[in-house]
Amino acid sequence: DIQMTQSPSTLSASVGDRVTITCRASQSISSWLAWYQQKPGKAPKLLIYKASTLESGVPSRFSGSGSGTEFTLTISSLQPDDFATYYCQQYNSYSRTFGQGTKVEI
Amino acid sequence: EVQLVESGGGLVQPGGSLRLSCIASGFTFSRYSMNWVRQTPGKGMEWVSYISGSDGSIYYADSVRGRFTISRDNAKNSLYLQMNSLRAEDTAVYYCARGVYVDSWGQGTLVTVSS
Repeated sequence: DIQMTQSPSTLSASVGDRVTITCRASQSISSWLAWYQQKPGKAPKLLIYKASTLESGVPSRFSGSGSGTEFTLTISSLQPDDFATYYCQQYNSYSRTFGQGTKVEI
Repeated sequence: EVQLVESGGGLVQPGGSLRLSCIASGFTFSRYSMNWVRQTPGKGMEWVSYISGSDGSIYYADSVRGRFTISRDNAKNSLYLQMNSLRAEDTAVYYCARGVYVDSWGQGTLVTVSS
């Protein structure tokens, strides 16, 4: 199975900060990567797919980049609504593994 | 509006069985692949199983292969997960999730495996 490793596990930030989360795959997944945001008690929400394509309705302060084995999710200016946990997921192989999550907190 | 509504969760003893259901609305169900994804506080998000919309492809995580069976009834806009030989480590919130990458999620149903 392809392993997905996110870093950091927890990130402390302030409103207005630029935030970057990294996701590394144990083998190449081309651009078959999605990013999700999850708030406590809620289902995840799709932010980005195919590594860099912004899902409809997602604010433009979110962006994704990367290919192969290394990917990043960037929030250009952190807003109060962005404090949440973020997950990456690969869908290159039939076994669609998730990263362990990055909690963005104040 | 896309809606996915899971049901069938509950408390079951180790070794027992449970069948989860997901009713879809707001889109042409047969055109989409579907997944079951589970989440636990300790292990985070874990993809469980996938079924294609058209060609019948089915995949499972190693942790559930041979015990869980995914199926769908396009006429009823429904997705199912038959879970047998349940273990304590199967305890989780189970989500019904649409797509090759997941663009829509249900609200989740809690499965607790405990004696």
